[in-house]
Formats: sequence, structure tokens, C-alpha cells
Amino acid sequence: GQNIDQPTEMTATEGAIVQINCTYQTSGFNGLFWYQQHAGEAPTFLSYNVLDGLEEKGRFSSFLSRSKGYSYLLLKELQMKDSASYLCAVKDSNYQLIWGAGTKLIIKP
Amino acid sequence: GAVVSQHPSWVICKSGTSVKIECRSLDFQATTMFWYRQFPKQSLMLMATSNEGSKATYEQGVEKDKFLINHASLTLSTLTVTSAHPEDSSFYICSASDGADTGELFFGEGSRLTVL
Repeated sequence: GQNIDQPTEMTATEGAIVQINCTYQTSGFNGLFWYQQHAGEAPTFLSYNVLDGLEEKGRFSSFLSRSKGYSYLLLKELQMKDSASYLCAVKDSNYQLIWGAGTKLIIKP
Repeated sequence: GAVVSQHPSWVICKSGTSVKIECRSLDFQATTMFWYRQFPKQSLMLMATSNEGSKATYEQGVEKDKFLINHASLTLSTLTVTSAHPEDSSFYICSASDGADTGELFFGEGSRLTVL
């Protein structure tokens, strides 16, 4: 079966750095997405990785290793507004998006 | 980026009534739109893929007669929850891709349905 694993919840301090991991087992791979979702709102796009390596976009970076079925989202200089759920999603061989359950990130002052 | 608008944001209805949710792509044409539902503290669950001009493709376990999807134009898809019951109360979200190579999905604002 297809499976995406990410931690349920993480806590970090304002100004610090946090890494949210995502491991996946899917039938084929056509890209990995990270989305941010604030409570009661729809998800918003953060990043897309299809090749191995690190993609940096401001305070957020996303890493992919296809051979390990592994990705992480790195958030730097954490701000209170970064408190949200972070969803990892993988596009499989049929170009279907498989969603992880999301990681709830709690930022403390 | 591309914009997807969803309406209504909130709806409360009585058990047994039907509710229609609209999803519009405002600045691009979407031949395919996706409908998700999300229960509290859970991830997105794909309900169906809406294709312009043809029947929707429903995921396993989703009742097509209960969740009617119509994709009448390249910018509008509707989801109708028929004979709603309290267990249908959920957050319904639509999304669409603008055809870019990344396949990035743009999401509507979501519609929170509460069935009394």
C-alpha cells in the first residue's frame, strides 16, 4: 500500500530552527509537495521537489532523497505565525496525490 | 499565483436538506478540479476528481449519489451534498491545477458544513 509518514506534532521556540521529516512509500514518484495549513483554512503551497537535493525559498527549505524515500521541510527564524500544520504529499506513478496526515507545529515564545 | 474561490465559507443546514458548494478558478481554466473533505485534526481525503464536460471520478467509499459533482465549465465545479446528515458535517475543500509542470494545486478557501 501507499504510505506517507510524518510526526503528528512538534514544538519549537520562536527564532529557532525546526526540521519536519516525511518518509514515503508509494507506487512510483512524480514529485513531493509541502503545504502549510492554518487551522480552519485551506492549505497553501510551500514547495515542490522532484529531483534530489535542497530547494531554498526564503526562511523555508525543502530537501528530497528519492533513494531513501525521504524529505524534510526546514523552517528557520521561526515566527509565531508559523504555527500551523505542515502537510507532505507525494505524486505517485498515476500522478495521484497521496497526502500525509500532517505535522502540527506549535511555536512557543 | 492562480486563484481558486470557494463559496460559501460556512453553511449550517437541517438534516435532510441539500447543500451546494461552488468552486471557481478565477484567473485560469481548470479542466480538472479536486474535491476533498477534512475532519478535525486529520489530513485531506480526496473525494472525487471533477472533469469538465464529463462525469466525476469518485474515490472508493464515496457515494456518488450523495455527493453530486458537476463541472459545467472550465472555471466552475459544484459539489452538492444531498440529504445531508450530521455525519456529513466536515470541512470541504476544492482545488485545481493551472497546468504548470509542477502540478501545484491551488486550493479554495474551504467550506465548513454543519448539519444539525
